[in-house]
Amino acid sequence: GIQVEQSPPDLILQEGANSTLRCNFSDSVNNLQWFHQNPWGQLINLFYIPSGTKQNGRLSATTVATERYSLLYISSSQTTDSGVYFCAVLMKTSYDKVIFGPGTSLSVIP
Amino acid sequence: DVKVTQSSRYLVKRTGEKVFLECVQDMDHENMFWYRQDPGLGLRLIYFSYDVKMKEKGDIPEGYSVSREKKERFSLILESASTNQTSMYLCASSFDSGARYGYTFGSGTRLTVV
Repeated sequence: GIQVEQSPPDLILQEGANSTLRCNFSDSVNNLQWFHQNPWGQLINLFYIPSGTKQNGRLSATTVATERYSLLYISSSQTTDSGVYFCAVLMKTSYDKVIFGPGTSLSVIP
Repeated sequence: DVKVTQSSRYLVKRTGEKVFLECVQDMDHENMFWYRQDPGLGLRLIYFSYDVKMKEKGDIPEGYSVSREKKERFSLILESASTNQTSMYLCASSFDSGARYGYTFGSGTRLTVV
């Protein structure tokens, strides 16, 4: 089956620093999404980005589908950015199935 | 404010008990999903439903069943709870099966089986 990998698994940042999170996937996909899970467990959809680049405030994401990876950029990090970031891919199979990566745990310290 | 509501935030049950986890969405979404989340494993799909009374197995359906009698409600049932079912359970809904417009997640139920 399709494999979804994320790196790094853990990241600690000083407030104000920038970071890049990576998601690699092993097969062709129909779409890719980035989610943020806050420390209280709530999952929020950040981006739907099967290809190209999108930006939303301090966050932006780029997916290069032909090379099977996606990047999530966080600029000027804030303590509220802490939590786990997941990428999730939709397989090109007979039925729609979203597969989540293992996540990157981010801690932003003041 | 649209949302997905899970009935319990924390739950402690004994081995062998029948456990019901309830999820209700108010967005008139066709598609609903149950995931479990374990450290280092990300989210794994247990069951999903595209319509009322319809269900499909996900990656790890063993030991679970589901019920969708009404469009807004999707229940996860542990027929006989076991300690390896201790986990965080997340319910989600989406407008379409591929979640092209995004999943909306509930706040999760942290289940402990003792």
